[in-house]
Amino acid sequence: DAKTTQPPSMDCAEGRAANLPCNHSTISGNEYVYWYRQIHSQGPQYIIHGLKNNETNEMASLIITEDRKSSTLILPHATLRDTAVYYCIVRITGGTSYGKLTFGQGTILTVHP
Amino acid sequence: DAGITQSPRHKVTETGTPVTLRCHQTENHRYMYWYRQDPGHGLRLIHYSYGVKDTDKGEVSDGYSVSRSKTEDFLLTLESATSSQTSVYFCAISVTTTTGELFFGEGSRLTVL
Repeated sequence: DAKTTQPPSMDCAEGRAANLPCNHSTISGNEYVYWYRQIHSQGPQYIIHGLKNNETNEMASLIITEDRKSSTLILPHATLRDTAVYYCIVRITGGTSYGKLTFGQGTILTVHP
Repeated sequence: DAGITQSPRHKVTETGTPVTLRCHQTENHRYMYWYRQDPGHGLRLIHYSYGVKDTDKGEVSDGYSVSRSKTEDFLLTLESATSSQTSVYFCAISVTTTTGELFFGEGSRLTVL
């Protein structure tokens, strides 16, 4: 699996967009980018994933650069409840291994009033 | 809500005693996973299952065994608990067969004295 690099921590003001970067320069063509988050003491929560096109759902948007070596998770209007550790994960999909995800240290996002 | 229940949610035990953690799902999903989470290590995969009686090792499987005799239950057993197995254990399931979206349980906090 391609390794990912994320900043250890970020701050964001409530109501503003939170942009969380992730570098995955060794990503291969069949690897997807997944984002999860973990709110204190809870299990990780799936947010979004993508291959090469930008993706959007009710929680967030995922912007993947054209060369796929980096991506940005965007929370358009951050709230205090978005304070969490955000994990960027790169993984192939399919076969018997698709659900095996390697979680790194992630980015601690703190949303403040 | 993917219908995942972990039990027990909290357990304190002594070194050398056997411990079994249970993960129960209500929606008959094929793939189930056990992760552990420790400070400084993030989440690490212990074992996973891709069907009844079909299991495989993950990244940190030493000292753990699993069983899956029916679709809805995935058991994690520590045959002889050690202090290094003090951790928070998360069960996860894969809801779809085409992506790596995992849904996690609420976790089981195990303390081995």
